Amino acid sequence: AIRMTQSPSSFSASTGDRVTITCRASQGISSYLAWYQQKPGKAPKLLIYAASTLQSGVPSRFSGSESGTDFTLTISCLQSEDFATYYCQQYYSYPWTFGQGTKVEIK
Amino acid sequence: EVQLVESGGGLVQPGRSLRLSCAASRFTFDDYAMHWVRQAPGKGLEWVSGISWNSGSIGYADSVKGRFTISRDNAKNSLYLQMNSLRVEDTALYYCAKAYSGSTAAFDYWGQGTLVTVSS
Repeated sequence: AIRMTQSPSSFSASTGDRVTITCRASQGISSYLAWYQQKPGKAPKLLIYAASTLQSGVPSRFSGSESGTDFTLTISCLQSEDFATYYCQQYYSYPWTFGQGTKVEIK
Repeated sequence: EVQLVESGGGLVQPGRSLRLSCAASRFTFDDYAMHWVRQAPGKGLEWVSGISWNSGSIGYADSVKGRFTISRDNAKNSLYLQMNSLRVEDTALYYCAKAYSGSTAAFDYWGQGTLVTVSS
């Protein structure tokens, strides 16, 4: 199975910060990479698919990029509603796999 | 708005079986792949199984292969997960998720989940 390694596992940030979360695939997955946001007690929400395509309705402060097997989620200006846990997911080949998650907390 | 409603969860003893269902509405169900994703209490997301729009492509996580079976009934707009030989480690909230296309695609809509607890 393809292993997805996210970093960091958690960090603290302030409103207005620019934050970056990284996800590394253990092998090539082309651009079959999605990012989700999950808040406590809620189902995950799709933010980005195909590594860099913003899902409809998602604010433009969210962006995704790729370089080989490294993928990045960037939030350009952190808002209060962005404090949550973020997951990457590869859907290149079965079994599909998620990263372990990155929790963004308020500093 | 797309609606996905899971049911069938509950408390079950190790080694027993359970069948989860997901009722889909407000979209053309047979155009889209569907998946099950689970989340153990306090843990991250784990993809469990997926099925293409016509059931022609099916996949399972290594942790459930040989024990779980995914299926769909396009006439009933429903997705199922038959779970056999349940283990304590299968305890989780099970989400039904819709893919944004008929086969290989990320999940654009999720249900609210049904809780499965495996315990003696």
